[in-house]
Amino acid sequence: AQSVTQPDIHITVSEGASLELRCNYSYGATPYLFWYVQSPGQGLQLLLKYFSGDTLVQGIKGFEAEFKRSQSSFNLRKPSVHWSDAAEYFCAVGPRGGGSQGNLIFGKGTKLSVKP
Amino acid sequence: DSGVTQTPKHLITATGQRVTLRCSPRSGDLSVYWYQQSLDQGLQFLIQYYNGEERAKGNILERFSAQQFPDLHSELNLSSLELGDSALYFCASNVGGIRTDTQYFGPGTRLTVL
Repeated sequence: AQSVTQPDIHITVSEGASLELRCNYSYGATPYLFWYVQSPGQGLQLLLKYFSGDTLVQGIKGFEAEFKRSQSSFNLRKPSVHWSDAAEYFCAVGPRGGGSQGNLIFGKGTKLSVKP
Repeated sequence: DSGVTQTPKHLITATGQRVTLRCSPRSGDLSVYWYQQSLDQGLQFLIQYYNGEERAKGNILERFSAQQFPDLHSELNLSSLELGDSALYFCASNVGGIRTDTQYFGPGTRLTVL
């Protein structure tokens, strides 16, 4: 079955500290990979995506993610967290080729709290 | 601002009632997706439309239906509402077609069933 696992439900980091949010997926073939962020009361904003090429992808707000095919992982990182990064982060996968079904499968999300 | 609009922002109704949620995709996007976000189930895909036609169905209840109109806006109809239908409903859009592309999400409609 296709699934996305975000093992950490809630993470607290100090402002200025580094961050890594984990994401593992189970899929029939290498999917397209996405990270979205949801601030309280807001919709989902795309942080970054991986379709092909360089396995280290850069996104907005200083985030990056690394695709590791052998580990079926797509972990999100940021070297120095800011208080405004407090939000919920969702990893998602989608099928290559789109076709008739381009819907995304989401993980359960990781809520990030930032200590001053 | 993603360019996807959803109305209303909040909806409070009673069990047994019927509601309609509306979504306008980004200009130029042909594909619309509906997702439900609840505390217990997380974000789940409900249904996809492409250029007016249903393309894919996910975990959508029979009490729920959707359509996409010629101007490409979409409506999600929820009927015989139950307490468990309380959730945040998102619409997303992209160009669609033969290749998966980034989906851009609207701000959501928060439905509360009392």
